[in-house]
Amino acid sequence: DQQVKQNSPSLSVQEGRISILNCDYTNSMFDYFLWYKKYPAEGPTFLISISSIKDKNEDGRFTVFLNKSAKHLSLHIVPSQPGDSAVYFCAATPGYQKVTFGTGTKLQVIP
Amino acid sequence: GAGVSQSPSNKVTEKGKDVELRCDPISGHTALYWYRQSLGQGLEFLIYFQGNSAPDKSGLPSDRFSAERTGGSVSTLTIQRTQQEDSAVYLCASSLAGTVSYNEQFFGPGTRLTVL
Repeated sequence: DQQVKQNSPSLSVQEGRISILNCDYTNSMFDYFLWYKKYPAEGPTFLISISSIKDKNEDGRFTVFLNKSAKHLSLHIVPSQPGDSAVYFCAATPGYQKVTFGTGTKLQVIP
Repeated sequence: GAGVSQSPSNKVTEKGKDVELRCDPISGHTALYWYRQSLGQGLEFLIYFQGNSAPDKSGLPSDRFSAERTGGSVSTLTIQRTQQEDSAVYLCASSLAGTVSYNEQFFGPGTRLTVL
C-alpha cells in the first residue's frame, strides 16, 4: 500500500518556466511533509518542508503548497534552471522520525 | 565537512552469499536510518536506531535482514543468503535525536548491491 504517491514518474520543463511536481498521500496521521532532491549516485538532500498547520511554505525559488482536505501537496520551482534537473521525492511523517517516501519524479529542465 | 559515509559504494555478490553494508553517521547524530531503493521504487524504510537500540524494525523485509549499531555511531546492515530481489541501492541517513519531533535526515551516497 503506497501511502505517498507521485503519479508522474517524469517531467520536462523549459528553462525559466515553472515546474510543478505533485504528490498525494492517504494517511491522515501524516502532519509533516518534505521534499528531497536526488542527483545520480548521490543520496537525497533535503529541499523544503511544510507542517500541516500551514498551507504554503516558500524558500527562494521553491514553494510547497499543502491541501489537507485533498491530501495533496505540490512543489513549485520558478524559474526552473538546468541545475534543478534531478529526481524529486515527496515524503511524509506523522511528526516523528519514520518517514514514508514516494517513488519520485524525475525532472528535466531543458536549456 | 564530514557527512554520512557508506561502504562499499558498490557490491556485487552471488546468490546465497552474505553481505555486510556499513554506515558512518554524522558525528553527534543519535538517530540512524536504513532505507533501500529498488529499481523504479521509492525509498523503502528498513530500520531506525535511536542510539544503539532499534525502536522500529518494521521495515525489515525478512529475517535474512538484520542491523546493529555499536557505540551510538557506526551501523552495519547484514543480509544473509542474498537473493536477486535484494538487489537495490541501500541508503543510510542520520539525524539529531528524533523521538518527539522531526529532525532533518542527512543521507549518505548509498551502497549499490547487485545479487547475481
